Amino acid sequence: AVHLTQSPSSLSASVGDRVTITCRASQDISSALAWYQQKPGKAPKLLMHDASSLESGVPSRFSGSGSGTDFTLTISSLQPEDFATYYCQQFNTYPLTFGGGTKVDIK
Amino acid sequence: QVQVVQSGAEVKKPGASVRVSCKSSGYTFTSYFIHWVRQAPGQGLEWMAMIDPSGGSTTYAQKFQGRVTMTRDTSTSTVYMELSTLRSEDTALYYCARAWSDLVQAFDIWGQGTMVTVSS
Repeated sequence: AVHLTQSPSSLSASVGDRVTITCRASQDISSALAWYQQKPGKAPKLLMHDASSLESGVPSRFSGSGSGTDFTLTISSLQPEDFATYYCQQFNTYPLTFGGGTKVDIK
Repeated sequence: QVQVVQSGAEVKKPGASVRVSCKSSGYTFTSYFIHWVRQAPGQGLEWMAMIDPSGGSTTYAQKFQGRVTMTRDTSTSTVYMELSTLRSEDTALYYCARAWSDLVQAFDIWGQGTMVTVSS
């Protein structure tokens, strides 16, 4: 199975900060990576697929990059509604797998 | 609107089975794969299984092989996930989710989640 390692596992940031989360795959997954945002008590929300394709309605302050084994999710200017947990997920190979998550909270 | 709606919470004893349903609406049911993802309390997301509602073919995570069964009813646009031989570690919130497309198995539509509690 493809193992996804997210870092950091948590971070504290302020409104307006630039935030970067990384996701490293244990093997080449091309661009078959998605990013989700999850808030407490809610289902995850798809932010982007294919590593960098932003979902409709997702603010442009979110961006993704990478291919192969190394990926990043960047929030260019953190907003109050962005405090949440973020997960990466690969869909290159079954079983589909998720990263362990990155919790973004308020500094 | 496009949505998937799950059945309600369940409480089961160890060794029992549970069946959770996921009803789709607002789109062509047979055109999108449906997956199950679970989340134990305070933990991350874990992929369990997938079904192609068109032909009924399934793919299961090895961890759940032999314990999980996914089926579908095209007449009601409903997918079912049955998990057998429950143990306390199966206590979790179970989500069904629709895949974005045939080639992009990322999940764009999620159910509200079904809490399954396994307790004696």
